[in-house]
Amino acid sequence: EAGVTQFPSHSVIEKGQTVTLRCDPISGHDNLYWYRRVMGKEIKFLLHFVKESKQDESGMPNNRFLAERTGGTYSTLKVQPAELEDSGVYFCASSQDFMTDTQYFGPGTRLTVL
Amino acid sequence: QKEVEQNSGPLSVPEGAIASLNCTYSDRVSQSFFWYRQYSGKSPELIMSIYSNGDKEDGRFTAQLNKASQYVSLLIRDSQPSDSATYLCAVESGGSYIPTFGRGTSLIVHP
Repeated sequence: EAGVTQFPSHSVIEKGQTVTLRCDPISGHDNLYWYRRVMGKEIKFLLHFVKESKQDESGMPNNRFLAERTGGTYSTLKVQPAELEDSGVYFCASSQDFMTDTQYFGPGTRLTVL
Repeated sequence: QKEVEQNSGPLSVPEGAIASLNCTYSDRVSQSFFWYRQYSGKSPELIMSIYSNGDKEDGRFTAQLNKASQYVSLLIRDSQPSDSATYLCAVESGGSYIPTFGRGTSLIVHP
């Protein structure tokens, strides 16, 4: 069984540019989560999808971040326009059930904004 | 603001020794506690979960929870160089089901 995959693994962009991160969850997992780890800080929750619906987006930092999960399969996280403080590692995770199942994490996308 | 605190380390132990990793949390109503292992550049991997006071053992790993002291620990017996990684403590509060992570403790097991 394939795990959670994320693309790209690394992205370097300039301030003001747009970047789109992609996450493919484990097949059959309805729940998809985005997290972010800024350098030197802890992993922080961004948002949670159940199928194609946003269940909880309380962790999204501001309206420059847009997450979508059309069709309830893969998800994208767009940052537009990117700022220096957006640099960090963006993790995606998925689980079959929300309350009881383990979240399986992807390897992350390292975003550097110059 | 819910907080999960861990010593960043690195914690260095010789091969075969017991590694003890500690974590404290601020939210008294926390109910679920997790330990993730993360190798450099890789994804966090869940290795232990614990929900009630006391010890929970799984192979060489033992998780210990003390809710009165708001303290959770992970013991790794017979530490191996392959255990060298960052260990993340995560805590879920009742009704949230979204974990709050600590910054992680770097463990180095030297031969």
